[in-house]
Amino acid sequence: DTAVSQTPKYLVTQMGNDKSIKCEQNLGHDTMYWYKQDSKKFLKIMFSYNNKELIINETVPNRFSPKSPDKAHLNLHINSLELGDSAVYFCASSQDLSIEQFFGPGTRLTVL
Amino acid sequence: GNSVTQMEGPVTLSEEAFLTINCTYTATGYPSLFWYVQYPGEGLQLLLKATKADDKGSNKGFEATYRKETTSFHLEKGSVQVSDSAVYFCALSDRGGGFKTIFGAGTRLFVKA
Repeated sequence: DTAVSQTPKYLVTQMGNDKSIKCEQNLGHDTMYWYKQDSKKFLKIMFSYNNKELIINETVPNRFSPKSPDKAHLNLHINSLELGDSAVYFCASSQDLSIEQFFGPGTRLTVL
Repeated sequence: GNSVTQMEGPVTLSEEAFLTINCTYTATGYPSLFWYVQYPGEGLQLLLKATKADDKGSNKGFEATYRKETTSFHLEKGSVQVSDSAVYFCALSDRGGGFKTIFGAGTRLFVKA
């Protein structure tokens, strides 16, 4: 009965590869997010979707592409991975933009 | 634009000590304010929130009061436990910022037995 789940939990890959991270929420929320957390724990929003529509698109390399097949899912695809992409990526959801968010357990991405 | 400033960590305390983590904010409107906690190896989870001036949020012995006059939302706990060791994030969400949630840089707390 996990509220926000992400797969995989760990992802180790080589520079230049393409990878995807999947996120699902079973809370019935309308809004979903992707965040990047660096090694110093700084949290940066990347994207947000509301009812499958992209509403927040921060300054992120266009190698990162989110996709929301339905309200319960928000996936993140990353092309041509670089060393600097190594971080923990968190998915989150909320009923709308202004209230508290529920976070997934994170995906630790390591690019070698 | 909107911003959140937290005291830098790490903060190291002995068990049963009093905790204060300072948080101040800048916002164009009347934001909602939040404290999130991140335990090792986990995602963030909401600890408490306040949606208007003078509101006090509380949970698990933690408290924070929304102070509009000082634009602050300091987190306090009277007696910390080892299990409170975590990273704490102050955050705001404001109509003027398009309701995008802005997180502070996080403050790591270590509690020693």
